[in-house]
This record gives sequence, C-alpha cells and structure tokens, in this order.
Amino acid sequence: SQQGEEDPQALSIQEGENATMNCSYKTSINNLQWYRQNSGRGLVHLILIRSNEREKHSGRLRVTLDTSKKSSSLLITASRAADTASYFCATVHYGGSQGNLIFGKGTKLSVKP
Amino acid sequence: NAGVTQTPKFQVLKTGQSMTLQCAQDMNHNSMYWYRQDPGMGLRLIYYSASEGTTDKGEVPNGYNVSRLNKREFSLRLESAAPSQTSVYFCASSERREVRTDTQYFGPGTRLTVL
Repeated sequence: SQQGEEDPQALSIQEGENATMNCSYKTSINNLQWYRQNSGRGLVHLILIRSNEREKHSGRLRVTLDTSKKSSSLLITASRAADTASYFCATVHYGGSQGNLIFGKGTKLSVKP
Repeated sequence: NAGVTQTPKFQVLKTGQSMTLQCAQDMNHNSMYWYRQDPGMGLRLIYYSASEGTTDKGEVPNGYNVSRLNKREFSLRLESAAPSQTSVYFCASSERREVRTDTQYFGPGTRLTVL
C-alpha cells in the first residue's frame, strides 16, 4: 500500500505550545497535502507542498518536505484550543493511483486551554 | 455558495437493504470522489469521476456503484448493504485541471449504520 503514516497517532498539548506531526510515505510523490478534520465534520485543505519544494508557510502552519527520507512534517505554532482536530497527510503519487489522493491514518491533536 | 452538500446526514439500514447517497457541488468542479472513513483509518477512495461522463474504481469499490448524473451531482449506491459497510461516507470535489496543484473540497459526511 502507498498509504502514508502519521506520527504520533495522538498528541496532547497546552494552548500556546507548538505542535509537530510527521508523515512518512513509501513511493515517489508529485505533491503532499495536509488536511484538518474537526470532530464530526468533513476534511478541510490546509496546505499543499510540491515534490520540488522543501518548506512552505501559511499563517501559523509550517510544512517541510524531505523527499530523500520520504517524510513531511506539519508544525502549528502558538496553538489554540480551536486547533483541536485530526490532521491527515495525503499524497499524490506518480503512476498507479491516477493522481488521486492517498490518505494517512491521521494524528489526533488535542489543545488544552 | 454551499460548496459540497451530502444527503442524508445519518442513515440506518438493515442487512440486504439498498440506498443511494447523494452528493452535489456548486463550484463547477470537474472531478468528484466518494470516500469511506472507518475508525482509526484514513479515508479510502471508493469511486471517482475525473470528469462528467466518466467513473473509475478506487481502492475499495466492491459492493458499491456510482452515477455521475451531471457535472454537479455524483451519487453512491449500495445495492445490498452489509454490516461491513457501516462507515462515514464523504463526497469531495476538485477542479483537477493540473494534478500537481489540485486540492479537494469535502462535504460534511453521511454516517451509515448497517444492522
């Protein structure tokens, strides 16, 4: 399976702290995306990083990509209680998956006020 | 601008019953997708429609059929529901003009229980 793996599965931090979650994948990618899912809701796209990019920022989010290690990390700085959600990485691979997203199992983030 | 809408929000079926999940998008997107999400799992692609008039199998298509009714609507049908199809179903859409920048927009989901 090409499915990515997030690490850790669950993360609990205090408001104001930084949260870092990691994603690893197995085969070469076209791009990697991060999505957020609030409890009982659909997924919301956060950020996309292409295979030729190493770092990308969007507000309090910072994503890095290391294609040599086949891994990515999502950093949320100065976390807020509203950041409590599950975070999924999703990869687009060359070849077999026809450009479709392959989702990991997610990291469940809990930010305590 | 409602984005991606799904009906129903909740459904309980008995084994062997059939039902159709409806999905519509108002963003003029070319592509539409059906996923299922099970506890502790990420989303798995059931079927997708890259453009109006085409449908293709995803990772877990068995037990499902789809119809791309028009550019806006993409339905998922369970012909004979089984308990293994208990899941949360998400519809999504995307422009899909260029794969390397394509992102998906998701509906709120349908929570289906098969008894």
